Amino acid sequence: NAGVTQTPKFQVLKTGQSMTLQCAQDMNHEYMSWYRQDPGMGLRLIHYSVGAGITDQGEVPNGYNVSRSTTEDFPLRLLSAAPSQTSVYFCASSRAGTGTRSGELFFGEGSRLTVL
Amino acid sequence: KNQVEQSPQSLIILEGKNCTLQCNYTVSPFSNLRWYKQDTGRGPVSLTIMTFSENTKSNGRYTATLDADTKQSSLHITASQLSDSASYICVAVGLGGGADGLTFGKGTHLIIQP
Repeated sequence: NAGVTQTPKFQVLKTGQSMTLQCAQDMNHEYMSWYRQDPGMGLRLIHYSVGAGITDQGEVPNGYNVSRSTTEDFPLRLLSAAPSQTSVYFCASSRAGTGTRSGELFFGEGSRLTVL
Repeated sequence: KNQVEQSPQSLIILEGKNCTLQCNYTVSPFSNLRWYKQDTGRGPVSLTIMTFSENTKSNGRYTATLDADTKQSSLHITASQLSDSASYICVAVGLGGGADGLTFGKGTHLIIQP
């Protein structure tokens, strides 16, 4: 099993550009989520999904869109990149029922995004 | 507001020594307490998950303790190795409110010197 796979690992954007961070998991997990990690701060939840076709906002959703058309994939879209979105982004997944509050969360290796 | 405070922010110890990392949380109602290890440039990896009824849980040389009454947890590392150099993140999980109920600490950055 590959676990949670994120692409790209590194990306540099100019202000105003759009892009999609890809996330795929092969563990048949129902729950998937996106976090951002900034220096001196804990991981912050951007968006999450409890199953295909269902998404919801987290703590810091502004400027980001998500969709969940399959169980395996959960892409994160930046519509118009801003320097404040420079960060390291982590995708995570967990089993349904145990996922959000009692189950183990599996993280990808991260995508480091710089917006100039 | 749910909060998780970790101490110290950073720690340097010699290889072979023991160390203890602290975590205080204010999440309520409380479900479980997690410790993650994050190597530089990698994603966090789960070390332990403890519910409110568990006082101690071990994972190899890592031992986590939980006092749900005082809302404190600790992670003890025994006979440290160079590979233990990482950030250790404490996460308190609540039963109600919020999106996924997880509140992350800022982490303790641990450096093991040979």
